[in-house]
Amino acid sequence: GAVVSQHPSRVICKSGTSVKIECRSLDFQATTMFWYRQFPKQSLMLMATSNEGSKATYEQGVEKDKFLINHASLTLSTLTVTSAHPEDSSFYICSVLASQETQYFGPGTRLLVL
Amino acid sequence: GNSVTQMEGPVTLSEEAFLTINCTYTATGYPSLFWYVQYPGEGLQLLLKATKADDKGSNKGFEATYRKETTSFHLEKGSVQVSDSAVYFCAFQKPGSARQLTFGSGTQLTVLP
Repeated sequence: GAVVSQHPSRVICKSGTSVKIECRSLDFQATTMFWYRQFPKQSLMLMATSNEGSKATYEQGVEKDKFLINHASLTLSTLTVTSAHPEDSSFYICSVLASQETQYFGPGTRLLVL
Repeated sequence: GNSVTQMEGPVTLSEEAFLTINCTYTATGYPSLFWYVQYPGEGLQLLLKATKADDKGSNKGFEATYRKETTSFHLEKGSVQVSDSAVYFCAFQKPGSARQLTFGSGTQLTVLP
């Protein structure tokens, strides 16, 4: 498998500020990573596919200018929530597409916007 | 369209009971099928997977068989433990280049001592 870390694990910010979440693939060079969000007691919703060296592909209904994704290296993808509002509060989880086309997930980042 | 239908929870069992969590899918082609587990406050962990019809995935006493004829991938365990308490997600990966996962709604399992 692949070992995936996320930082921070938890963040609280004021409304209107921007928050950056990092997703690192610790033992696998990941060309493709995914970003999901999960509301309480709900399933994961794919937000975007992050491709190293190119623009991310966003799912329908996800604002690309609000959720900025940068995948500058094979081990790091970042998600920046710009001008965060309380409705952006959620659990954000990234995954790495590793060998045998299998996704391995990070531990998640809980964002609370006040 | 493509979708995953998963048994609704919550499911509460006594320790050592038999577990079944049903999962059926609707997809074109031959998707790969997965079960992921999420412990409280954590991300998802891959539990098992199967990539073609009649494959059986197994891990930590859990099993699931890819049934093409019934488009199902039911999760089973013969004797659950308190430590198995978690949310279980069934998912499939569309064949082709997208490689995205489509998740079921998740099933909360609580195992009582």
